[in-house]
Amino acid sequence: EAQVTQNPRYLITVTGKKLTVTCSQNMNHEYMSWYRQDPGLGLRQIYYSMNVEVTDKGDVPEGYKVSRKEKRNFPLILESPSPNQTSLYFCASSFNPGLGEQFFGPGTRLTVL
Amino acid sequence: GQQVMQIPQYQHVQEGEDFTTYCNSSTTLSNIQWYKQRPGGHPVFLIQLVKSGEVKKQKRLTFQFGEAKKNSSLHITATQTTDVGTYFCAGEEWGGSNYKLTFGKGTLLTVNP
Repeated sequence: EAQVTQNPRYLITVTGKKLTVTCSQNMNHEYMSWYRQDPGLGLRQIYYSMNVEVTDKGDVPEGYKVSRKEKRNFPLILESPSPNQTSLYFCASSFNPGLGEQFFGPGTRLTVL
Repeated sequence: GQQVMQIPQYQHVQEGEDFTTYCNSSTTLSNIQWYKQRPGGHPVFLIQLVKSGEVKKQKRLTFQFGEAKKNSSLHITATQTTDVGTYFCAGEEWGGSNYKLTFGKGTLLTVNP
């Protein structure tokens, strides 16, 4: 089944404790992206990747890191999480930007205490 | 930078009434995409519009892309309870090697049976 998977789905952590949210797609997509969703603010792009080893900042990259060492995986790293990073995070992928249809993962709800 | 404004933020209708959400970009878009997110779910792709003045239909849903490629609308005829959710537009912009995808904040549609 074609899908985007994220882990964990739910995470409660404390300020400053490094964490990684994994994202994997099995559709051989070149483009992958991370978003955060907050009430009243919609979906805001954190980072995106056009292909392996190619990443770029979205609208809200501060406090986040990403890497794209292989095509299928695009982990989101929070080196020192803070409470303002409490949010719902979505990973998405598409075959190529401009060709439409981003497939979204199920989401990761992160709470930073 | 590119901004995508979406109105209204909320819309409550009686089942059977029509619904429209509007999207307006501050810059000319390469294309526009529409997504639906059910409560507790993840965004799901509905459609992509590419051409100036394009109109596409999916059963009771009609999508339009403005002549200037800066605005778009989604119209639902005779809403049903299954239409409940948040509808997002997302504007894509290509400029040389620069790529930008910006989501509107979404319109939350609730339907009273």
